[in-house]
Amino acid sequence: KNEVEQSPQNLTAQEGEFITINCSYSVGISALHWLQQHPGGGIVSLFMLSSGKKKHGRLIATINIQEKHSSLHITASHPRDSAVYICAVHQGAQKLVFGQGTRLTINP
Amino acid sequence: IAGITQAPTSQILAAGRRMTLRCTQDMRHNAMYWYRQDLGLGLRLIHYSNTAGTTGKGEVPDGYSVSRANTDDFPLTLASAVPSQTSVYFCASSQGGAGDTQYFGPGTRLTVL
Repeated sequence: KNEVEQSPQNLTAQEGEFITINCSYSVGISALHWLQQHPGGGIVSLFMLSSGKKKHGRLIATINIQEKHSSLHITASHPRDSAVYICAVHQGAQKLVFGQGTRLTINP
Repeated sequence: IAGITQAPTSQILAAGRRMTLRCTQDMRHNAMYWYRQDLGLGLRLIHYSNTAGTTGKGEVPDGYSVSRANTDDFPLTLASAVPSQTSVYFCASSQGGAGDTQYFGPGTRLTVL
C-alpha cells in the first residue's frame, strides 16, 4: 500500500462543476502539500498546510490530521483547471512522499 | 534568470555515456532537490542539499551523484547512464527544509537508449 493515496486517479467534469480530490496518508506528517502539474509538465505549489483550511481564489484545501486525510476543492471549475493535482506529505528531514496524482479534465 | 531553470530541456543519450543535468536558482534558497517522475510512480527524491557544501541521499540515489559548490547551482550527474534512468527529472528549491514551499524547475526529459 502506498503511503499516500489519491482518489480519484482520473476525473472528468463539465465547466462550472464543484470538484473534490482526496488524499489519504498512512504516516505521521508535519505538513501536506498540494501541487499542480500543467499539461506542459511544469509543477506549481498550490498549498502547504498542517491544519485546518486554506483558500486561494477558487481553490480550497482542507486537512484532518486525526483522520490522515486532505481534500482539494475547486469551485466553479474551468477548462484551464485541467491538470494533474499531486498531494505530497512531509514526514520529516528532507523526505516528501508524493501521491501518484489525479488527472483532472474540465470540458467546456 | 527568474526562479529556477534546468538544462537541457530534453536529451537522448546512449547507454554508458556520462550526463550532467544542470539546475540553477536565483532565489537564494538554502535547500535544493532532484526528483525523477515516472509514469505510475509519482515523483521520487534522488538527492537533496540542505545548504551549499552539503548533500544527502534521497529515495532512489543509485547511479546518480550531485554537488553543491554554491547556493545557486545543483547539478545532477549520471556517471554511466542505463535505460532505467529514462525519466523526467525535476529540480526544486525551498528556503527552508522539505516542509517549506518548493519551487520546481521546468524539467528535463531524458531518454537513455
